[in-house]
Amino acid sequence: DAKTTQPNSMESNEEEPVHLPCNHSTISGTDYIHWYRQLPSQGPEYVIHGLTSNVNNRMASLAIAEDRKSSTLILHRATLRDAAVYYCIPRPPTGNQFYFGTGTSLTVIP
Amino acid sequence: DGGITQSPKYLFRKEGQNVTLSCEQNLNHDAMYWYRQDPGQGLRLIYYSQIVNDFQKGDIAEGYSVSREKKESFPLTVTSAQKNPTAFYLCASSTTGGRGNTEAFFGQGTRLTVV
Repeated sequence: DAKTTQPNSMESNEEEPVHLPCNHSTISGTDYIHWYRQLPSQGPEYVIHGLTSNVNNRMASLAIAEDRKSSTLILHRATLRDAAVYYCIPRPPTGNQFYFGTGTSLTVIP
Repeated sequence: DGGITQSPKYLFRKEGQNVTLSCEQNLNHDAMYWYRQDPGQGLRLIYYSQIVNDFQKGDIAEGYSVSREKKESFPLTVTSAQKNPTAFYLCASSTTGGRGNTEAFFGQGTRLTVV
């Protein structure tokens, strides 16, 4: 399974954009890149995923590097409700496991 | 509404007792998972099941057991053999297939405290 490296913590001011990086240099060509977030004392929730192209949804955008060795989750305007731990997870095409690392703890400053 | 339900939210047990955590989903998902989370840590996979009557060990299966008799249900038993059972337990489900292109849905977790 591909290993990931994320900053332990990041801070952002409210209503500012946030760029959360993830390094996954050992990813295979067929692994999808998933992002989840976990609010305190809750289960993780799905944010976004992609394979090669950049992806947008109502929650966030995902920018995937051309060599696919890294990706960036973009929150366009951080709110206090976005304070959470964000996990980047490469997901292979076979097997159904989701392997979580320690993620990035995002603090949003009012 | 479709979703995944874990119960109870909080559970207290005495040391040496087995305890079973419930996980039910009505999403018609084939795959279900159990994770353990310790304070300040990421999630670690205990067991997963891709189909009824079949399941596989994850990274930390020792001291745990599961069953998958129905598609909707994947209960986890924390046995007395688990040396450090106090933790936050999370259940998840997903479709199979899709070649990595499907997301997981998580329950709200059960916080188990063994005294």
